Amino acid sequence: DTAVSQTPKYLVTQMGNDKSIKCEQNLGHDTMYWYKQDSKKFLKIMFSYNNKELIINETVPNRFSPKSPDKAHLNLHINSLELGDSAVYFCASSQPGQGNSNTGELFFGEGSRLTVL
Amino acid sequence: KNQVEQSPQSLIILEGKNCTLQCNYTVSPFSNLRWYKQDTGRGPVSLTIMTFSENTKSNGRYTATLDADTKQSSLHITASQLSDSASYICVVTPALKLTFGGGTRVLVKP
Repeated sequence: DTAVSQTPKYLVTQMGNDKSIKCEQNLGHDTMYWYKQDSKKFLKIMFSYNNKELIINETVPNRFSPKSPDKAHLNLHINSLELGDSAVYFCASSQPGQGNSNTGELFFGEGSRLTVL
Repeated sequence: KNQVEQSPQSLIILEGKNCTLQCNYTVSPFSNLRWYKQDTGRGPVSLTIMTFSENTKSNGRYTATLDADTKQSSLHITASQLSDSASYICVVTPALKLTFGGGTRVLVKP
């Protein structure tokens, strides 16, 4: 059973289009995330939801809109795609950590490679 | 500014040899430090998580060390195998927002 699954794995589209990436986790975690991994391989947080509520919203263009219908799902919708949006997008989930850590172990999906032409 | 810097950017080692990857951070306040392994085309997978009070933690042939005073960590791979070829990412957690290093790409050759 896949713990964190995201679809599609590959997405090739034209500039200006609107696309969505879906993510589901079956770990029973309360917190889900979207990360963007650029060509230099840095992973950067985009959004984080805890029990369907947005808790982290980094400086991301408002063309990106996350939606969490329930705590097991966090989808990412992107409007008016631009060339710079080409990247690998990772969904992840976690439970709260122990002690001083507010973030438990992160479980990542396999990534969705978005290519904007 | 919170930063995590890893070195080297990449390295090539022969199968069976050992190697050590470095991670320096300026993240504050510090909560924990993690090492992840990312195979090509896959998502990162957790190797170790260390809190402030832990100096070393092992996961099979992977051993991570942490010096919170100098803000340095290392990941040692013992008796490398071809399957160790991957990127290794150091992540420091101040709280909810994790700060990722750029990773070290390791290539193990037969």
